[in-house]
Amino acid sequence: DTGVSQNPRHKITKRGQNVTFRCDPISEHNRLYWYRQTLGQGPEFLTYFQNEAQLEKSRLLSDRFSAERPKGSFSTLEIQRTEQGDSAMYLCASSFNPTGAGETQYFGPGTRLLVL
Amino acid sequence: AQKITQTQPGMFVQEKEAVTLDCTYDTSDPSYGLFWYKQPSSGEMIFLIYQGSYDQQNATEGRYSLNFQKARKSANLVISASQLGDSAMYFCAMREALSGGYNKLIFGAGTRLAVHP
Repeated sequence: DTGVSQNPRHKITKRGQNVTFRCDPISEHNRLYWYRQTLGQGPEFLTYFQNEAQLEKSRLLSDRFSAERPKGSFSTLEIQRTEQGDSAMYLCASSFNPTGAGETQYFGPGTRLLVL
Repeated sequence: AQKITQTQPGMFVQEKEAVTLDCTYDTSDPSYGLFWYKQPSSGEMIFLIYQGSYDQQNATEGRYSLNFQKARKSANLVISASQLGDSAMYFCAMREALSGGYNKLIFGAGTRLAVHP
């Protein structure tokens, strides 16, 4: 039984560079979420996919951020022209609940980004 | 707006003792769900327990139980017989329903639990 996986686990980059993270959800899960967690805080919602459709984006997701989920399977989160304020843990979660009631999101191990 | 408050930045407990981690919430939605997650130093958020607003009984999962007091808007996590491996950050979260029938989670700031031998 494989859970949610994320790659890479750690990423160090210089300010201004582009980075891309990947999330592989639990295979039968049709819902996929991205969250960001800064030091000492709880995760904050970034965006949501149902299958391949991106249905919700937080205002935290600036124009430099883009997320995709081609074919409704894995998802990528790209940050262009990284800034030091982008340094955080990026968490992916997936779920499956056709009725929407009692939905439980299962999280991956996260990608820890440090922008120098 | 929905809000989760965890007032204990850190807690200490002796191994094999029980500990209660506090969580209060604020919402005007009559239908909501409350979750507790554990985050070890490795970073992964591990789902522990869920309580629905209409559930008649407090949720239990092994050594974890949720003390749900709806009138007081509290959903405290009780860990019985603490183990060294329970040392981690613990987050309380609430489900916020979005249009389209899906949800996002609103998290508190977390409580760091340290279990001493």
